Amino acid sequence: AQRVTQPEKLLSVFKGAPVELKCNYSYSGSPELFWYVQYSRQRLQLLLRHISRESIKGFTADLNKGETSFHLKKPFAQEEDSAMYYCALSSGGSNYKLTFGKGTLLTVNP
Amino acid sequence: NAGVTQTPKFQVLKTGQSMTLQCAQDMNHNSMYWYRQDPGMGLRLIYYSASEGTTDKGEVPNGYNVSRLNKREFSLRLESAAPSQTSVYFCASIVGGKYGYTFGSGTRLTVV
Repeated sequence: AQRVTQPEKLLSVFKGAPVELKCNYSYSGSPELFWYVQYSRQRLQLLLRHISRESIKGFTADLNKGETSFHLKKPFAQEEDSAMYYCALSSGGSNYKLTFGKGTLLTVNP
Repeated sequence: NAGVTQTPKFQVLKTGQSMTLQCAQDMNHNSMYWYRQDPGMGLRLIYYSASEGTTDKGEVPNGYNVSRLNKREFSLRLESAAPSQTSVYFCASIVGGKYGYTFGSGTRLTVV
């Protein structure tokens, strides 16, 4: 069975500090991994996916198959980055079901 | 462009009452999903519909039923609500894996 683990429920950093939100997964096949973000009183939205290897809002995430990790990083956190972040895994196929981690609430302090 | 629209936004039910959560998308997406979001539990898949005319159980389907009325609409029904179904419910749709899910704004349901 596939599983996504986000070990930190809460993460607090100061503005300008680097931030890393951890995500580990368990899946026997070739995974597709995503980060979703939910700002206060807003709907969930896709932040980035590993296949595109892009940087969105200064965030990057690299898939490490050896460590089965997909950590989200940003070198200089901003107050507007404060949000709930979810890592998600898709097993592929045509149904696009996602398994979500339990989420990490990031607070960026001024 | 509305995207994914959920109604109602808030609802309070008494134990044993029934209700239907509505979801509609205007993006011509094939696949639609219902998730519940609980503190400390993340999002868990209740039911999904990979295409019009098909529905399948997700991780936590007990106590729920769904209907894919047409390509646009995917409803979630609670036949006999229980306090354990107090949650925030999200509907989502997707056209393909490349673009990720588009989520609705959620329905906050309280069962007393």
